[in-house]
Amino acid sequence: DAGVTQSPTHLIKTRGQQVTLRCSPKSGHDTVSWYQQALGQGPQFIFQYYEEEERQRGNFPDRFSGHQFPNYSSELNVNALLLGDSALYLCASSLRTGNGYTFGSGTRLTVV
Amino acid sequence: GQNIDQPTEMTATEGAIVQINCTYQTSGFNGLFWYQQHAGEAPTFLSYNVLDGLEEKGRFSSFLSRSKGYSYLLLKELQMKDSASYLCAVGGTDKLIFGTGTRLQVFP
Repeated sequence: DAGVTQSPTHLIKTRGQQVTLRCSPKSGHDTVSWYQQALGQGPQFIFQYYEEEERQRGNFPDRFSGHQFPNYSSELNVNALLLGDSALYLCASSLRTGNGYTFGSGTRLTVV
Repeated sequence: GQNIDQPTEMTATEGAIVQINCTYQTSGFNGLFWYQQHAGEAPTFLSYNVLDGLEEKGRFSSFLSRSKGYSYLLLKELQMKDSASYLCAVGGTDKLIFGTGTRLQVFP
């Protein structure tokens, strides 16, 4: 039973570029949340997707957007990258009706 | 506002016991989670408390006092592989609110 799968593992982008990160949830899970974890910090909630809609959003600018597909997989898009966007981006899947979150190993984004 | 505090770093000796404290002030509460995170890896679930009291799971135990906004994670019989960051998180509405994490180093 596969857990949460994220791709790519590592990514280097230049300031001003755009990036797309991908997440496949754990089998049986229908909800995907995205978190940003800066070095030495705890993860910060970006947004959550359920039934292909953004259900809740954290304190992140509109440069951060997402999508959920009918198979529950999700993408995180970041436009006009800034140096401060360099972080580990974590995807967590869960059941809408449950409290358990399973995290992927993350995508390490470096903006130069 | 949302505030979750935990110590930044702790050190301990192999075979010892360590307690990692977490205090929180949040606008909502749907349980208190503890996660373990090794460098460059995914956070892995350790424990969940929604009622006051102690939850024991092998070498790991977690305690919650909702009236005091306080939790701790107790690690017994420490092993070298327990060197990691330990994240305290409060369950909010459809999200987790994390502290900054406590980096635990276990020495031989």
